Amino acid sequence: EAGVAQSPRYKIIEKRQSVAFWCNPISGHATLYWYQQILGQGPKLLIQFQNNGVVDDSQLPKDRFSAERLKGVDSTLKIQPAKLEDSAVYLCASSSNRRRPGELFFGEGSRLTVL
Amino acid sequence: QQPVQSPQAVILREGEDAVINCSSSKALYSVHWYRQKHGEAPVFLMILLKGGEQKGHDKISASFNEKKQQSSLYLTASQLSYSGTYFCGTRKAAGNKLTFGGGTRVLVKP
Repeated sequence: EAGVAQSPRYKIIEKRQSVAFWCNPISGHATLYWYQQILGQGPKLLIQFQNNGVVDDSQLPKDRFSAERLKGVDSTLKIQPAKLEDSAVYLCASSSNRRRPGELFFGEGSRLTVL
Repeated sequence: QQPVQSPQAVILREGEDAVINCSSSKALYSVHWYRQKHGEAPVFLMILLKGGEQKGHDKISASFNEKKQQSSLYLTASQLSYSGTYFCGTRKAAGNKLTFGGGTRVLVKP
């Protein structure tokens, strides 16, 4: 079974530039999550999708971050404009309500450095 | 609200035991444990649902005290492969968001 795919793995941009991350979850997983993990900290949930609907985006800085999950499969996370404090690893995860419910499968992450 | 983990870090010799604690100020539906090795994605270890059950994964087990909103992860006869950062995640209800603690760094030395 293929895992969660993310790209790009690494991205370096200057502040005020924009960036987009892409995630392809495990086939059949209805729930998709974007987490932000700052170095030395635990993952922080930015947004949770159930199919293509948003379940929770209470911690998403909506003035600069946006995310969408078209057709309930792939998802993109965009940051515009980026700030220095956005430097982090952006982890995408997916889960199923049927097979191994509650278990999150994480991708390898996209490491963002904002200069 | 983020669960609180303790200790922040622990160093063990191979074969020694350790306990990692996770506590919340809110009533919990479930507690989840993940391990993350340096530069890698977090990997699922186990889920504990309210009811005080205890689970195991190899020689790693965990308990959940629903009344105290606390969970403990037990590393027994630790192996070098147990090194990494352990995160607990908590949910207040089924399908609710999973909130992670700050992590506990574990280093197992030969």
